[in-house]
Amino acid sequence: DGGITQSPKYLFRKEGQNVTLSCEQNLNHDAMYWYRQDPGQGLRLIYYSQIVNDFQKGDIAEGYSVSREKKESFPLTVTSAQKNPTAFYLCASTADRGLVSLQPQHFGDGTRLSIL
Amino acid sequence: QKEVEQNSGPLSVPEGAIASLNCTYSDRGSQSFFWYRQYSGKSPELIMSIYSNGDKEDGRFTAQLNKASQYVSLLIRDSQPSDSATYLCAVNKRGAGKSTFGDGTTLTVKP
Repeated sequence: DGGITQSPKYLFRKEGQNVTLSCEQNLNHDAMYWYRQDPGQGLRLIYYSQIVNDFQKGDIAEGYSVSREKKESFPLTVTSAQKNPTAFYLCASTADRGLVSLQPQHFGDGTRLSIL
Repeated sequence: QKEVEQNSGPLSVPEGAIASLNCTYSDRGSQSFFWYRQYSGKSPELIMSIYSNGDKEDGRFTAQLNKASQYVSLLIRDSQPSDSATYLCAVNKRGAGKSTFGDGTTLTVKP
């Protein structure tokens, strides 16, 4: 079955440490997204990518970095510059091509990141 | 003003009642509209998409879109305790390449 796999489910970060969250999809989707969700809050867009080797900052990109070297993969690095990283991180993809915005988002199961 | 606003909630309805969830958006260039359900601790799942004015029904769910008034709503008929979740409204603007989400409305259906 096609879908989005996020790993790990739970991650703990030490002070001054960078951590990387994995997102892999086998839906053959071009567009991929990273969101952050704090308790009781909505989704905030961190980064998104419409095509390999290209990505755009979302609303809260500071302290985060991404890469898109393969269509299937869109890893998110939470850097030590992100001082309050504790949140639920969601990866999503759509079947949209380019900047067409017609399709719904498919979500992975998420990664919960906490500070040690 | 937020681009996408949902009724603040929480919303509580008795089992069997109709739950009404509302969402307004600010950009008239918006072209596609979605409702997602998110159970506590889980990721969002799509329950309805709507693209043109009017009603769209799927089982107990009806989405209503009024582009002139810039609102989209979700009605849940015969509400069940299993419908208790947070409902997220998402709006896609033409050419944006992304969705804008509301903050969600938490629904509790009491047996």
